[in-house]
Amino acid sequence: GENVEQHPSTLSVQEGDSAVIKCTYSDSASNYFPWYKQELGKRPQLIIDIRSNVGEKKDQRIAVTLNKTAKHFSLHITETQPEDSAVYFCAAKGYGGSQGNLIFGKGTKLSVKP
Amino acid sequence: KAGVTQTPRYLIKTRGQQVTLSCSPISGHRSVSWYQQTPGQGLQFLFEYFSETQRNKGNFPGRFSGRQFSNSRSEMNVSTLELGDSALYLCASSWGTSGEYSYEQYFGPGTRLTVT
Repeated sequence: GENVEQHPSTLSVQEGDSAVIKCTYSDSASNYFPWYKQELGKRPQLIIDIRSNVGEKKDQRIAVTLNKTAKHFSLHITETQPEDSAVYFCAAKGYGGSQGNLIFGKGTKLSVKP
Repeated sequence: KAGVTQTPRYLIKTRGQQVTLSCSPISGHRSVSWYQQTPGQGLQFLFEYFSETQRNKGNFPGRFSGRQFSNSRSEMNVSTLELGDSALYLCASSWGTSGEYSYEQYFGPGTRLTVT
């Protein structure tokens, strides 16, 4: 089945710097890769996603890139702000049934220092 | 639109008891997926229901079960609770069909289960 590895597990940056989180997946049939942000005590929130027919997607300060050949995808946050501090999870949609299910990475705790 | 809701938000049970958790999806969403979140294991997929049928199942023992009703609301049940079942149980809803936004899953606030 699908396996998703996420690095780093913790990341500390200064406000205004960029942050990059990387994930690798194992199942070449996976075709959907979302990223979630979870603040302390809150639900995971979908912040951006990408499908396998696209190499890059941007939404304001957030971007995701996908390399299908290498089976890895990355989240890029530019001009970080203290409110970006949270745990970020990547996921890959596994192959199964007509939808499959999301397999999550272990998460990256991002701390943005003012 | 109202978001995904889960009840109850907190539960304390003792070993050996059983528990039922409820999830109401976003209106129009027909797929409900359940996840267990723990500090050590992260987010792990339990099962997915679509149109009252279990469509996918994760690697959890048979003590974990679920169902979905005709209005897409879903329940999950854990029987014979163990200490290790203490976790945050999250459900997520999606359209569940083909289409550009069909894969997007939106999470509920979760039910925090503590087993003593």
